[in-house]
Amino acid sequence: DAGVIQSPRHEVTEMGQEVTLRCKPISGHNSLFWYRQTMMRGLELLIYFNNNVPIDDSGMPEDRFSAKMPNASFSTLKIQPSEPRDSAVYFCASSLSRGYNEQFFGPGTRLTVL
Amino acid sequence: LAKTTQPISMDSYEGQEVNITCSHNNIATNDYITWYQQFPSQGPRFIIQGYKTKVTNEVASLFIPADRKSSTLSLPRVSLSDTAVYYCLVMNRDDKIIFGKGTRLHILP
Repeated sequence: DAGVIQSPRHEVTEMGQEVTLRCKPISGHNSLFWYRQTMMRGLELLIYFNNNVPIDDSGMPEDRFSAKMPNASFSTLKIQPSEPRDSAVYFCASSLSRGYNEQFFGPGTRLTVL
Repeated sequence: LAKTTQPISMDSYEGQEVNITCSHNNIATNDYITWYQQFPSQGPRFIIQGYKTKVTNEVASLFIPADRKSSTLSLPRVSLSDTAVYYCLVMNRDDKIIFGKGTRLHILP
């Protein structure tokens, strides 16, 4: 298996633009997680899905952020409009199920909003 | 949700054994203790998980005392490539995962 796949790996955009990050989880995994990592705040859980259904989105910073999982093999995290403070590395992870099961992380998307 | 406390940073030398202790005074009966490792520019990677006593795998050992209020991750004979951030997590199957700031381990030659 190729592991968790994220695209793009790097994204540079201007303030106000829409940004879409993509994730393909490991086949057979039922849970998918989106994280954001910055030096100041560390690694924060934004939202997670179980069987394609959002379970907890309390970590989503504000309405500018939205996430979808239309099927078991694809998820998106969208920021509209983007702001400089959204600059961070965004990780997607998947696991067999939620909770204490091992999570497998993707390589991350480094987002820079100018 | 049990909180964890671990040192912000640690230094050690190549070839030494490194022990990182994590405190989790409010751990619940059905909580497990899990450690992740994160190298620069990569996502975290699962290292080891345990419930009580001792767990060992090819990478590390995890020591958990009887009261389970703390745990110690032990890395035998570290090398420069073990320089990373190590996260201690306590959770059960229904918990939301909180990584915290972790322990930044720096291995010196």
